[in-house]
This record gives sequence, structure tokens and C-alpha cells, in this order.
Amino acid sequence: DVQLVESGGGLVQPGRSLKISCTASGFTFGDYAVTWVRQAPGKGLEWIGFIRSKAYGGTAEYAAPVKGRFTISRDDSKSVAYLQVDSLKTEDTGVYFCTRRAVAAWAFDIWGQGTMVTVSP
Amino acid sequence: QTVVTQEPSFSVSPGGTVTLTCGLSSGSVSTNYYPSWYQQTPGQAPRTLIYSTNSRSSGAPDRFSGSILGNKAALTITGAQADDESDFYCALYMGSGIWVFGGGTKLTVL
Repeated sequence: DVQLVESGGGLVQPGRSLKISCTASGFTFGDYAVTWVRQAPGKGLEWIGFIRSKAYGGTAEYAAPVKGRFTISRDDSKSVAYLQVDSLKTEDTGVYFCTRRAVAAWAFDIWGQGTMVTVSP
Repeated sequence: QTVVTQEPSFSVSPGGTVTLTCGLSSGSVSTNYYPSWYQQTPGQAPRTLIYSTNSRSSGAPDRFSGSILGNKAALTITGAQADDESDFYCALYMGSGIWVFGGGTKLTVL
């Protein structure tokens, strides 16, 4: 089965850092770009950022509100993408989803189940 | 800052047809924004319905269709069913690897 599984969420104090993982299976991970999306409790989806496949440079782009604090990376040998969040704020609380960018389409076709991050003293 | 607009809520009768829209705070949505649509029920991950304006994602029922209506992207549900009651989000591709989601529409089927 083609799937993405996020892990690494939890309760974190403000100001700390956290690294979330997105592990892929069932497809050639290195051929695809990966996007991170978050959802604050009771709120809508927010696009956070995107990392290209190595074939397209493996570079990342970020939404303006998170640029500088969030870092997306990937390890194709392990079929894993990462989202590191530094200087966590209470407003970073929410569910973090990773998604696969569809081939030849500017959209997302496969979604993980999400991992909850709670930032609280 | 670009804001993608959606109706906060909508209702439809079972078997009815409803059209949800996705606009821009400034300017018009065209196919160049590659609008896509996602459905989410509470506690679940989103699932992809439509991409590139009007292409149906694998597994999406054919009662869902996408289009451009005037200056907005649109998602039409023809023959709404009870389990269509959920939140619907559109996303627009802004170029340079940047996407923006709309605020979502809560659809009630009653």
C-alpha cells in the first residue's frame, strides 16, 4: 500500500525544538516532492512548506509565517522527510500532516494521518 | 498577502446539487493556479478530490466535479449524500513552490 506515516509529535515547551518525521512506503520516495500542512485545533488547513525531489534540486520552500523557524529536509535512503520546528510557540500547536505532491499536478495526492504537536508550558 | 476565500458554510438537501467556490482576495482564479479540492471529516486526514481545476483524483466519486466559474474555482457536488457532510478546502498554487489553502467550507447535508 502507498502510504505516509508521521511520527514524533508530542507535548513540547515553548522555545524548544521538535523534529517530526514522515515515513513513506509503497512507492519510490525519492521521485516525489513532499509537502507539510498543519491544522490548529478547530481551524483550517495551512500550507507550511514543500521539498522538491533531488531530481529538481531537493530544495525547500516555506510559507512566509514560518520561514526562518521551520526546516524541511529529506533522506531518500530511508524514505523519510523531516520537519524541524525551532523556537516553538503556543500557536504552533496542531496536527501536522505530510503529503505527497502528485506527479505532473500541482496538488497533493497521498496524505499521512497526521501527528499532534502541543506546545505548552 | 494573498488570501484564498471560501464560503464558511453551506447546506444542501440529500440528492441536491451544491457548488462551493474558491476565490482570491485580489484578482481572479484561473487554471494557472491549478486549483485543487480536498475533503476532510473530523479527526481524519484530508483526502484529495480534484486537482488541476477539473481532474478527479483516483477514488473520488464522480458526483464531485471541478471548474472555473467566473473569477473563482468551483467544486460542484451533484446528488449530495449524507456522508458528504464534511469540510472542503481548496488550494491554489501560487508558483515558485508555494501553495495557499482557503479557509474551508463546512458542508451540512440536511
